[in-house]
Amino acid sequence: EDQVTQSPEALRLQEGESSSLNCSYTVSGLRGLFWYRQDPGKGPEFLFTLYSAGEEKEKERLKATLTKKESFLHITAPKPEDSATYLCAVQGNNFNKFYFGSGTKLNVKP
Amino acid sequence: GAVVSQHPSWVICKSGTSVKIECRSLDFQATTMFWYRQFPKQSLMLMATSNEGSKATYEQGVEKDKFLINHASLTLSTLTVTSAHPEDSSFYICSAAGANEKLFFGSGTQLSVL
Repeated sequence: EDQVTQSPEALRLQEGESSSLNCSYTVSGLRGLFWYRQDPGKGPEFLFTLYSAGEEKEKERLKATLTKKESFLHITAPKPEDSATYLCAVQGNNFNKFYFGSGTKLNVKP
Repeated sequence: GAVVSQHPSWVICKSGTSVKIECRSLDFQATTMFWYRQFPKQSLMLMATSNEGSKATYEQGVEKDKFLINHASLTLSTLTVTSAHPEDSSFYICSAAGANEKLFFGSGTQLSVL
């Protein structure tokens, strides 16, 4: 069964304290793994797509990596404005199916 | 990146009335759009997949007569919550898949049914 598990559910960091969010997945034929950021009361905002194991993508303080079983979203020296819920989704062989994790709520304190 | 416009952003309605939510892909054609529901502190729950020119595919447990979906063009899908009740109050989000199969989301609609 295709599924996505994110951990931890919540993460509190001090400003500047680097950490990583995990997304473990099981899917039939990975077409893509997506990371999104969601602020309260808003729709998810696209961050990255990773297509194959070993691939890495970076954007400002964020870096996403992918293996055959999981993806990590590394946050380097986070700032309070990085506080949000980060969602992971995978797309399998069925183009119309995107499986979402439950998200990690990140809180960065100044 | 691609832009998906969703409106209204929030709506308050009386119990028993119907509410229509629009989702538009502004700078690309989307043959497939998705509708999600999100409860507080929970992830997205897929309600239905909307394909242009054909009937929507509903997920198990989602009432198709309750949540009417119309995808009349390659840039517009609508979700109508019929005879809304307080338990239908939720955050509804649409998304559209572009040609590169990336998924882009609307900004969401907060529905409150009194």
